[in-house]
Amino acid sequence: DAKTTQPTSMDCAEGRAANLPCNHSTISGNEYVYWYRQIHSQGPQYIIHGLKNNETNEMASLIITEDRKSSTLILPHATLRDTAVYYCIVRVADHNDMRFGAGTRLTVKP
Amino acid sequence: ETGVTQTPRHLVMGMTNKKSLKCEQHLGHNAMYWYKQSAKKPLELMFVYSLEERVENNSVPSRFSPECPNSSHLFLHLHTLQPEDSALYLCASSPWRSSYEQYFGPGTRLTVT
Repeated sequence: DAKTTQPTSMDCAEGRAANLPCNHSTISGNEYVYWYRQIHSQGPQYIIHGLKNNETNEMASLIITEDRKSSTLILPHATLRDTAVYYCIVRVADHNDMRFGAGTRLTVKP
Repeated sequence: ETGVTQTPRHLVMGMTNKKSLKCEQHLGHNAMYWYKQSAKKPLELMFVYSLEERVENNSVPSRFSPECPNSSHLFLHLHTLQPEDSALYLCASSPWRSSYEQYFGPGTRLTVT
């Protein structure tokens, strides 16, 4: 599986957009980019995933660069409840055995 | 909110005890997973079951023994654990092993004394 690199931590002001970057320069053509988050004392929660095109759902948007070597998760209007560790994972589609890295600890501040 | 439940939520056990963790999913999924989350370490995949058959075992010590009696239930039997096994144990399920989304339970916080 491709290795991912994320910043250790980030802060964001409440109500502003949170942009979380992820580098996956060794990604192969059949690997998807997944994002999960883990709020303190809870299990991880799926956010979004994509292959090539940008994706949007009710939680977030995923922007994947044209060369697919990096991506950005965007929380358009961060709230205090979005404070969590965000994990970027790269994985082939036919195996859903998620292998998590250290993630980015996002702190949303009032 | 979650359709995956885990019991107990907290467990303290001695190194000579035998205990079991239980996971139940109410989502009609066919794949289930056990993960271990230790302090300061990434989430580690332990076991994968697909249609009640174990399909992956990531070099987990034999003192951890999984059991999947049906597609809704998953157990992790614990025996002669070590203090370094203290961690948060998370169960997850997905519609199929190839599904893009996994649903996680709240976890069992295990402390081995």
